[in-house]
Amino acid sequence: GAVVSQHPSRVICKSGTSVKIECRSLDFQATTMFWYRQFPKKSLMLMATSNEGSKATYEQGVEKDKFLINHASLTLSTLTVTSAHPEDSSFYICSAWGGEGPYEQYFGPGTRLTVT
Amino acid sequence: KQEVTQIPAALSVPEGENLVLNCSFTDSAIYNLQWFRQDPGKGLTSLLLIQSSQREQTSGRLNASLDKSSGRSTLYIAASQPGDSATYLCATIPSAGGTSYGKLTFGQGTILTVHP
Repeated sequence: GAVVSQHPSRVICKSGTSVKIECRSLDFQATTMFWYRQFPKKSLMLMATSNEGSKATYEQGVEKDKFLINHASLTLSTLTVTSAHPEDSSFYICSAWGGEGPYEQYFGPGTRLTVT
Repeated sequence: KQEVTQIPAALSVPEGENLVLNCSFTDSAIYNLQWFRQDPGKGLTSLLLIQSSQREQTSGRLNASLDKSSGRSTLYIAASQPGDSATYLCATIPSAGGTSYGKLTFGQGTILTVHP
């Protein structure tokens, strides 16, 4: 299957700082990328949908000024957690879809964010 | 709004057993259904994708069935092995079009433990 990478895999930051997470599709062009958040022992919660060259669409209850998403190219989307707080600590996972076929999404390995 | 439920929440079996994981969904207007595996602290690995026009898909020891009209899917694992221990998630994608375009709705997952 297609390969999606995320960087970094783990990050620890201080409260009030911003953190950028990258999601890359390595062997296909991703017209759409999705960002999820997962709390311990919980399922994935969709945060936003990112389409190349356009503004991201955020799910209800997700602060767009807090979680900035940029999808500048067909292989890269970034999620920036601004002014991070301890409650932003979570596991963030991205997925990518090439825009064809049966909407099969390929997931990255996830990024563990810890805000101290 | 689509709701996806997985039963059981957790399952512990001895090595070699055949087992069935269940997934049900409330809105039958799906485009496809996907089964994933997630290891602790890791991203998602796609196991099987069943399109709405299909009844089942097989990959190795895994077989997934879909009964769209009754809103059910099952994942059958034959001859289970300790390496199968993980969380198994099912997710649906709605029929094309509308604001839910391409968005996966996940179940809560089944935590499988296969002991030697």
